[in-house]
Amino acid sequence: IAGITQAPTSQILAAGRRMTLRCTQDMRHNAMYWYRQDLGLGLRLIHYSNTAGTTGKGEVPDGYSVSRANTDDFPLTLASAVPSQTSVYFCASAGTPTGELFFGEGSRLTVL
Amino acid sequence: GDSVTQMEGPVTLSEEAFLTINCTYTATGYPSLFWYVQYPGEGLQLLLKATKADDKGSNKGFEATYRKETTSFHLEKGSVQVSDSAVYFCALSDFNQGGKLIFGQGTELSVKP
Repeated sequence: IAGITQAPTSQILAAGRRMTLRCTQDMRHNAMYWYRQDLGLGLRLIHYSNTAGTTGKGEVPDGYSVSRANTDDFPLTLASAVPSQTSVYFCASAGTPTGELFFGEGSRLTVL
Repeated sequence: GDSVTQMEGPVTLSEEAFLTINCTYTATGYPSLFWYVQYPGEGLQLLLKATKADDKGSNKGFEATYRKETTSFHLEKGSVQVSDSAVYFCALSDFNQGGKLIFGQGTELSVKP
């Protein structure tokens, strides 16, 4: 049972570089989400998609972009990484926008 | 906007102790409430949920009751185990706000043998 697969699991990159975090789910869920987790701040929603072809901004969207070309994939792109984007990023999906969220294991990103 | 506030951690308990992690919320509508758990090195997973006032969610010995009058959803367990050591997140989902989950800051629990 795969569920949600995120890649890479860990990455260090220089400030100013472009980076794409990949997320794939095999549950045919309509809704997908990207959160960042920072100590003392919990999880904050970056972007979401309620169905393929649509996306929306969450609480902290600046500096990030997403696309949803199909049901399974929901990549998160940092166009020009900055040190404040150092975080652990979690992709999640749900069968409906109000249903239980299933999370990937996270991608730890360090921007130097 | 909607928000969730949890008690600060870390919380350190001895095995078999009683656990309470406080969670209060602010919402304009009638949200569903959740507790998620994150074990070390893993993503979050749903622990329990309640969708309307006075509902009690329960799982693995944990329980929480949706209290609309006090806007609370405190997590309790009568006897914790070392394996319960994790970070616990309270969250709400309001359909009228698009159903996206809003999380509290998380409470780390450490259970000592």
